Amino acid sequence: NAGVTQTPKFQVLKTGQSMTLQCAQDMNHEYMSWYRQDPGMGLRLIHYSVGAGITDQGEVPNGYNVSRSTTEDFPLRLLSAAPSQTSVYFCASKTGHATETQYFGPGTRLLVL
Amino acid sequence: DAKTTQPPSMDCAEGRAANLPCNHSTISGNEYVYWYRQIHSQGPQYIIHGLKNNETNEMASLIITEDRKSSTLILPHATLRDTAVYYCIVRVAEYGGATNKLIFGTGTLLAVQP
Repeated sequence: NAGVTQTPKFQVLKTGQSMTLQCAQDMNHEYMSWYRQDPGMGLRLIHYSVGAGITDQGEVPNGYNVSRSTTEDFPLRLLSAAPSQTSVYFCASKTGHATETQYFGPGTRLLVL
Repeated sequence: DAKTTQPPSMDCAEGRAANLPCNHSTISGNEYVYWYRQIHSQGPQYIIHGLKNNETNEMASLIITEDRKSSTLILPHATLRDTAVYYCIVRVAEYGGATNKLIFGTGTLLAVQP
């Protein structure tokens, strides 16, 4: 199993540009989520999904869209990038069983100029 | 989910036990205590979790007080590779739905010194 994969690893955008951060998992996990991490801060939940076709907002959803058309993929879209979205983005997945652990991807480092 | 309080940083000598405290005084009866860590620039990694009994695995031990208002993560023989930010998270453990989401605080930066 590849686990949780994220692409790209690094990205530089100009203000106003759009892009999609990709996340995929091959563990047949029901639950997937996106976090952002800023310097000196913990991870903050952006959006999450409890299964294909179901998404919901986390702590900091503004400026981001998500969709979950398949169990494997959970892309994060920035429609109009802003400098405040400069961050490291982590995708995670787990089964629906409550005590199962959450697996994180390696992260995408995004710089918005 | 209950809020947790952790010291911002701790030092530990290599080879010694690292004891990381966490306060969760508002924890309710159906909430588990989870520990994750994040080594620099990597995604968080699960360490251990427990409800009310002490737990041990190949990575660490988790000691939860009898009143469950606090816990301690113990790394028995810390190495330089254990230098990381350690997160204590409390959440309800139910099947499915929004209860699966983890809310991270700022954690404790453990610096293992040679």
